[in-house]
Amino acid sequence: QKEVEQDPGPLSVPEGAIVSLNCTYSNSAFQYFMWYRQYSRKGPELLMYTYSSGNKEDGRFTAQVDKSSKYISLFIRDSQPSDSATYLCAMSARDSNYQLIWGAGTKLIIKP
Amino acid sequence: DGGITQSPKYLFRKEGQNVTLSCEQNLNHDAMYWYRQDPGQGLRLIYYSQIVNDFQKGDIAEGYSVSREKKESFPLTVTSAQKNPTAFYLCASSIRQVNTEAFFGQGTRLTVV
Repeated sequence: QKEVEQDPGPLSVPEGAIVSLNCTYSNSAFQYFMWYRQYSRKGPELLMYTYSSGNKEDGRFTAQVDKSSKYISLFIRDSQPSDSATYLCAMSARDSNYQLIWGAGTKLIIKP
Repeated sequence: DGGITQSPKYLFRKEGQNVTLSCEQNLNHDAMYWYRQDPGQGLRLIYYSQIVNDFQKGDIAEGYSVSREKKESFPLTVTSAQKNPTAFYLCASSIRQVNTEAFFGQGTRLTVV
């Protein structure tokens, strides 16, 4: 079993819909949780990071961490075609030297 | 503009050859990383460096080598010992070890021909 599981998709939704992207993990020591967006043939770019549990909002994006369930989510409101990309979750823990452990990424397609 | 520059964008290698991928950053970051990305898989760590003249192996270091002679530069050599080198290679940097905000280059696509 992988440390971080992420549905590869593709997830296809109409423009304007609310998108929910998720990752589950097995290591309860993870403390930092990050979401990256990667366009085709480009490097990933950080969207949001959260420390420990709770929610964090930035514009149309909300990151949510539920440590009791070992589950993190990224919500995108009012989705746009420009949001079409692969979304990667990553997480790290002090006891593994803060090395990022990555999900495989979910490909998101926003249909105009 | 500050950022990370990887070159070349595309690289073709014949079997049995070593090739070196360039990574330069002007963000004044201490930590630098090399990842490999294959279709349907998460990023896998090859090597990382937290300080000049020091680096550590990641999860898949076999067949790769690095150097960190300058803070700004972290080149990766893919040696002939790497059995399956065709992949997308990503270089990243972060201000410190707790890399909650890693910045990535645009990647190098290496193909063995």
